[in-house]
Amino acid sequence: ETGVTQSPTHLIKTRGQQVTLRCSSQSGHNTVSWYQQALGQGPQFIFQYYREEENGRGNFPPRFSGLQFPNYSSELNVNALELDDSALYLCASSLVRFNEAKNIQYFGAGTRLSVL
Amino acid sequence: KQEVTQIPAALSVPEGENLVLNCSFTDSAIYNLQWFRQDPGKGLTSLLLIQSSQREQTSGRLNASLDKSSGRSTLYIAASQPGDSATYLCAVMGSGSRLTFGEGTQLTVNP
Repeated sequence: ETGVTQSPTHLIKTRGQQVTLRCSSQSGHNTVSWYQQALGQGPQFIFQYYREEENGRGNFPPRFSGLQFPNYSSELNVNALELDDSALYLCASSLVRFNEAKNIQYFGAGTRLSVL
Repeated sequence: KQEVTQIPAALSVPEGENLVLNCSFTDSAIYNLQWFRQDPGKGLTSLLLIQSSQREQTSGRLNASLDKSSGRSTLYIAASQPGDSATYLCAVMGSGSRLTFGEGTQLTVNP
């Protein structure tokens, strides 16, 4: 167990709807990263939050947005859902210290989103 | 832009065989490399992490090596078992603390 929990486990939405996925970080971690994993592919980096600020973004459109809260839990929001958004969404938390490059990311079990 | 490639895409072996999974990356400016295991429909389980200054890491029947200059890593699994059947993912961490993943090797170990 990594101590990172994601909810819900599964979700079914229709095209055009909006969805919010949640992640609870491991205790003491200050950074959360979100990844999208389409079927049969490796995870793709969406964005990262460090101390409640976005700290890097992958090649995803603005309709993918996030939040990190003071307790370091996090949300991923996706607006105007498209069929291609169907995927496993993974959250990873880590403790990033200034100038320390070796931070290890601990992954949750993921949320499987199906867009019909 | 970092790209990670894993070969082979799929592998089927009989139980007891030793096997090697390969991972290559295009940008050698990495902080670390990590091997993960993923069971069908599940999240990621970290197996081994190699810092950029290290050459290899071992855990039980698993051994991972890293040659940063040539952009290559291998995961060696000794005496494979049916329970080892899963998808194995290689990921490198570059600047910005983001992981770049390969597409994985799907391993089947037959009893």
